[in-house]
Amino acid sequence: AQRVTQPEKLLSVFKGAPVELKCNYSYSGSPELFWYVQYSRQRLQLLLRHISRESIKGFTADLNKGETSFHLKKPFAQEEDSAMYYCALLSSASKIIFGSGTRLSIRP
Amino acid sequence: EAGVAQSPRYKIIEKRQSVAFWCNPISGHATLYWYQQILGQGPKLLIQFQNNGVVDDSQLPKDRFSAERLKGVDSTLKIQPAKLEDSAVYLCASSLDLSGSNIQYFGAGTRLSVL
Repeated sequence: AQRVTQPEKLLSVFKGAPVELKCNYSYSGSPELFWYVQYSRQRLQLLLRHISRESIKGFTADLNKGETSFHLKKPFAQEEDSAMYYCALLSSASKIIFGSGTRLSIRP
Repeated sequence: EAGVAQSPRYKIIEKRQSVAFWCNPISGHATLYWYQQILGQGPKLLIQFQNNGVVDDSQLPKDRFSAERLKGVDSTLKIQPAKLEDSAVYLCASSLDLSGSNIQYFGAGTRLSVL
């Protein structure tokens, strides 16, 4: 079955500390993976996707096929990073499958 | 550019009542999606349209849910009759076309409470 697992419902870190949001996937073949973010009172929006190999707002995510992971990382957390983060997978049927999400809380 | 518009923002109904949600996608976007997001879960795709045709409705509970996009632009999602477990946020999204790599743009959602 194709699925996305985000093991942490809540992650709380201090401002300036490194952040790592975990994501594991189940997929046969070469996956296409995304991170979506929802800030308070805002719409769900795309943060980054692995095919773009880009850094957005200081966040990066590397696909590790051996560990079937796509963890989201940022070296120094900022208060404005507090949000709900969803890892997502493009299925073989061209549908987006979302994980259950991790709430990131940055403490001042 | 204007974003995906959804209405209403909130709806409270009693079980066995009917409810309808409306979505207007970004102009020029051929593909429209309806998602259901239950509290504590990620969005789950209910139905996907390409223009006015259904591409995927495999996860739509067709005994009570229906959706249409008659003119290939705006869309309505209906629940009749509603059950308690239908309480959720219903998200509409649109993208340029069917390519899974296209960015999906989401609306603000409709929060449905079934009492």
